[in-house]
Amino acid sequence: GENVEQHPSTLSVQEGDSAVIKCTYSDSASNYFPWYKQELGKRPQLIIDIRSNVGEKKDQRIAVTLNKTAKHFSLHITETQPEDSAVYFCAASKSFIIQGAQKLVFGQGTRLTINP
Amino acid sequence: DGGITQSPKYLFRKEGQNVTLSCEQNLNHDAMYWYRQDPGQGLRLIYYSQIVNDFQKGDIAEGYSVSREKKESFPLTVTSAQKNPTAFYLCASSIMVTVETEAFFGQGTRLTVV
Repeated sequence: GENVEQHPSTLSVQEGDSAVIKCTYSDSASNYFPWYKQELGKRPQLIIDIRSNVGEKKDQRIAVTLNKTAKHFSLHITETQPEDSAVYFCAASKSFIIQGAQKLVFGQGTRLTINP
Repeated sequence: DGGITQSPKYLFRKEGQNVTLSCEQNLNHDAMYWYRQDPGQGLRLIYYSQIVNDFQKGDIAEGYSVSREKKESFPLTVTSAQKNPTAFYLCASSIMVTVETEAFFGQGTRLTVV
């Protein structure tokens, strides 16, 4: 089955600097890669996602890149702000055409701390 | 107010007892999921369901059971067979289509075995 590895497990950056979180996946058939943000005591929420037919996607200060050949994808946060402090999870899934339900496999999570 | 609701927020269980966690959604989503969250291990899939009266085991189904009698509801029972049940449990739902879409999460239930 799919296995997703996420690094680093903790990351501390100065406010205004950039942060990069990396994930690798094992199943070459995976074709959907979302990133979730979980603030302390709250539910995970989708912040950005990318599909396998796209190499990069950007949404304001957040971007995700995907390298299908190497089977890794990364989250980039620029101009970090204190409210970016949270746990970030990457995930991978593939279509089950017959079944229709996606089966997300999550990475271990990265605790990002933005220092003022 | 549309969304996915888990209850209770905190739950205490004595060893040897079964306990049921509630998950209800009014998003008209077909697919529902249960994840377990442990520190440093991300979210691990317990069970998922794509349609009423049907569900499949995830990666860590042992010691758990589910039912899907209604589209809106997907309760999880943690049985006494689960060796280490203390964890944070998250329920999620998504539209059942062949193209992947966002999974919406509930606020979670923290289960503690005492």
